[in-house]
Amino acid sequence: KNEVEQSPQNLTAQEGEFITINCSYSVGISALHWLQQHPGGGIVSLFMLSSGKKKHGRLIATINIQEKHSSLHITASHPRDSAVYICAVRGNYQLIWGAGTKLIIKP
Amino acid sequence: NAGVTQTPKFQVLKTGQSMTLQCAQDMNHNSMYWYRQDPGMGLRLIYYSASEGTTDKGEVPNGYNVSRLNKREFSLRLESAAPSQTSVYFCASSDGRVDIQYFGAGTRLSVL
Repeated sequence: KNEVEQSPQNLTAQEGEFITINCSYSVGISALHWLQQHPGGGIVSLFMLSSGKKKHGRLIATINIQEKHSSLHITASHPRDSAVYICAVRGNYQLIWGAGTKLIIKP
Repeated sequence: NAGVTQTPKFQVLKTGQSMTLQCAQDMNHNSMYWYRQDPGMGLRLIYYSASEGTTDKGEVPNGYNVSRLNKREFSLRLESAAPSQTSVYFCASSDGRVDIQYFGAGTRLSVL
């Protein structure tokens, strides 16, 4: 079993829909990262959080340390949100990466 | 503001050839990282450098060597390329080991 599991692996939705991507982990962590990988391959950090909730524009990230679970939400989704969203957790020394969720938003 | 710059963007090698992937950052970050990304798998850490003058093995270091040339530059060398090293390679940097990492655009490497 992978230490970081993301679900779903693939998600296709219509423009305007509310999107939720989940990340569960099995190790103790000091922080959790959400990143976005564009279709061209570039990777951008979205959030780093260790508790509670963070919001940036239409993106919201939450984490529940007790349940070892985080969610990334996108409100009013748009085709430009189409990308792979990656969850990574920081254990003792290094980041442990999820395999990513491929999101496609159709106009 | 360039951020993290990787060269080359694409490379095709024959089995047994050697090459060096270059990475430079202009954010005065202490830590730098090399990852590989394969289809269906998460990013896997090859080597990292917590600070200038230090390097450490990551999850998949075999077949690679690194050099932290100075604070700005961290290179990855394949001495004798193998088809299993066909992958997309990303360099990243961060101000500290617990901070957000900033990524380069990636190098797509094919080993025939």
